[in-house]
Amino acid sequence: AQSVTQLGSHVSVSEGALVLLRCNYSSSVPPYLFWYVQYPNQGLQLLLKYTSAATLVKGINGFEAEFKKSETSFHLTKPSAHMSDAAEYFCAATNSGGSNYKLTFGKGTLLTVNP
Amino acid sequence: DVKVTQSSRYLVKRTGEKVFLECVQDMDHENMFWYRQDPGLGLRLIYFSYDVKMKEKGDIPEGYSVSREKKERFSLILESASTNQTSMYLCASSLSGARNQPQHFGDGTRLSIL
Repeated sequence: AQSVTQLGSHVSVSEGALVLLRCNYSSSVPPYLFWYVQYPNQGLQLLLKYTSAATLVKGINGFEAEFKKSETSFHLTKPSAHMSDAAEYFCAATNSGGSNYKLTFGKGTLLTVNP
Repeated sequence: DVKVTQSSRYLVKRTGEKVFLECVQDMDHENMFWYRQDPGLGLRLIYFSYDVKMKEKGDIPEGYSVSREKKERFSLILESASTNQTSMYLCASSLSGARNQPQHFGDGTRLSIL
């Protein structure tokens, strides 16, 4: 079964600094991968998705993620953090096989942005 | 834009009550999902449905059931609520069974069982 690991349950950066949120998946078959963001008291919003078309994926709000098969990773980055980026971020991967897919989520990383 | 609407943002119920959580999507999506979200545990899939009247168990179905009588509506039922079911419940939908289709989420229902 697929598993998704997000290293660091809490990441703190200064405003203007680089944001790096880590995600690793376990499947030997590259899955489809997604990053979601959750603002307080809201549902999850899709940031970006990897569907094998390109290894560097650009998303909303200046975020991007790079798929690295050799490292089974899909880390999320943003060059310059903004206060409005403070939220919880979830990496998710599809399970392999089957026609009605399910997502496996990581446990989330809470991003704090300090002024 | 896809809109997934959950009927209640906050709900307080008593132990032993039968609880209904409702979810409606407006984009004719085939798949619908119910998750619960707990601090430190991330999102865990309770049930999902890939068509009207069709359902499959997720990772933690015990104590829950679901109903999908119409394509746009997916209900989560707590047959006899218990305090360990206090949680945030999230509904999601996706266009089809294709693995590259993202899921779209509602704003969640924060359920407290007293």
